[in-house]
Amino acid sequence: TQLLEQSPQFLSIQEGENLTVYCNSSSVFSSLQWYRQEPGEGPVLLVTVVTGGEVKKLKRLTFQFGDARKDSSLHITAAQPGDTGLYLCAGASNDYKLSFGAGTTVTVRA
Amino acid sequence: DARVTQTPRHKVTEMGQEVTMRCQPILGHNTVFWYRQTMMQGLELLAYFRNRAPLDDSGMPKDRFSAEMPDATLATLKIQPSEPRDSAVYFCASGLGLAGNEQFFGPGTRLTVL
Repeated sequence: TQLLEQSPQFLSIQEGENLTVYCNSSSVFSSLQWYRQEPGEGPVLLVTVVTGGEVKKLKRLTFQFGDARKDSSLHITAAQPGDTGLYLCAGASNDYKLSFGAGTTVTVRA
Repeated sequence: DARVTQTPRHKVTEMGQEVTMRCQPILGHNTVFWYRQTMMQGLELLAYFRNRAPLDDSGMPKDRFSAEMPDATLATLKIQPSEPRDSAVYFCASGLGLAGNEQFFGPGTRLTVL
């Protein structure tokens, strides 16, 4: 059983459409990270959110941390083929461990 | 451009053979993590080192897996004997300080045990 549940598991959209990926848990995290992983590579950090209710924007990507620091969402506006990849959320506890969700595979068709 | 390097990138071996995977963390990073990624389980933490000392290997099957850091530039993960269920992609990551800080992942070693 994953500590962090991501939904949906797969998402296929047309270029220019918007998408949202969700990351939910019953646990409270001190911070939450989003990574993107491309085939044959390791995950690469996109953002870290720390404060409950925090919203961070990275160009066309908007990340939100829930008020209770148990959930997060990633919204992509006007998706492009370059956004294709596996999106992973990871929650940090008060120690060193990161608990990863199973990931959402996003495919943006040209 | 500092990166975590891992060797080999691909390994195919037969059941019962010893497998050694190597990782060179980013210079100056004091934490090293070993993860295993499979379709079924996703990313699982196997071991964690801080300042070369092993602090957590609770995610690792102790009877066959071992992880070491002989020096600050090298981390190793060994499987002996290997089994088909060990087939996965193994990632090494390095970072500074706590988990809330960014972890920099290597490209992974894809292991296939026949």
